[in-house]
Amino acid sequence: EDQVTQSPEALRLQEGESSSLNCSYTVSGLRGLFWYRQDPGKGPEFLFTLYSAGEEKEKERLKATLTKKESFLHITAPKPEDSATYLCAVQEGANTGNQFYFGTGTSLTVIP
Amino acid sequence: DAGVTQSPTHLIKTRGQQVTLRCSPKSGHDTVSWYQQALGQGPQFIFQYYEEEERQRGNFPDRFSGHQFPNYSSELNVNALLLGDSALYLCASSFHRLAGVNEQFFGPGTRLTVL
Repeated sequence: EDQVTQSPEALRLQEGESSSLNCSYTVSGLRGLFWYRQDPGKGPEFLFTLYSAGEEKEKERLKATLTKKESFLHITAPKPEDSATYLCAVQEGANTGNQFYFGTGTSLTVIP
Repeated sequence: DAGVTQSPTHLIKTRGQQVTLRCSPKSGHDTVSWYQQALGQGPQFIFQYYEEEERQRGNFPDRFSGHQFPNYSSELNVNALLLGDSALYLCASSFHRLAGVNEQFFGPGTRLTVL
């Protein structure tokens, strides 16, 4: 059973066209939810950690929010340099150790 | 402050061979996790090392083994390589906490191609 599901798989936006990426999760006892950005052929770059429902974090044009079952990554007025794959990962409760479960990512393309 | 480093950047091997990948964690971190990322997929957890011991393991065969050294650096070894082992291998480092969140920071990866 998939523990982390991301949608859509791919998203094409015009420059300046705001949108949201979704990450839904099914884990017992969430310790943390993480967003990463990954450029082709490179390692994931850490963006945000969210700990509890209702929490929000912002960085430049990106804003991450968390509910009890899902997280959203809102992209406001995106630019071409925001084009990348955005990965979501969750860390379960203490009994299951420190393993991260990743989704398959959303590939974002921002067209000038 | 150096981040997570990995070597080599790229590697080409043939089926049946063995490979060793290396990782140095971010300064101040003591835990290293290894992931395999196939093209178009999310990273899959292989195992995690802390205090020079394998602490947790994902669903990978025994052909995948590792080691952590006293300076917290780590190696990933893969024996009897298969074509399906071709992937980007990622190392992530973190600071060990019994409770709370362990944020992981990733290296640039090693691209392994098995012919």
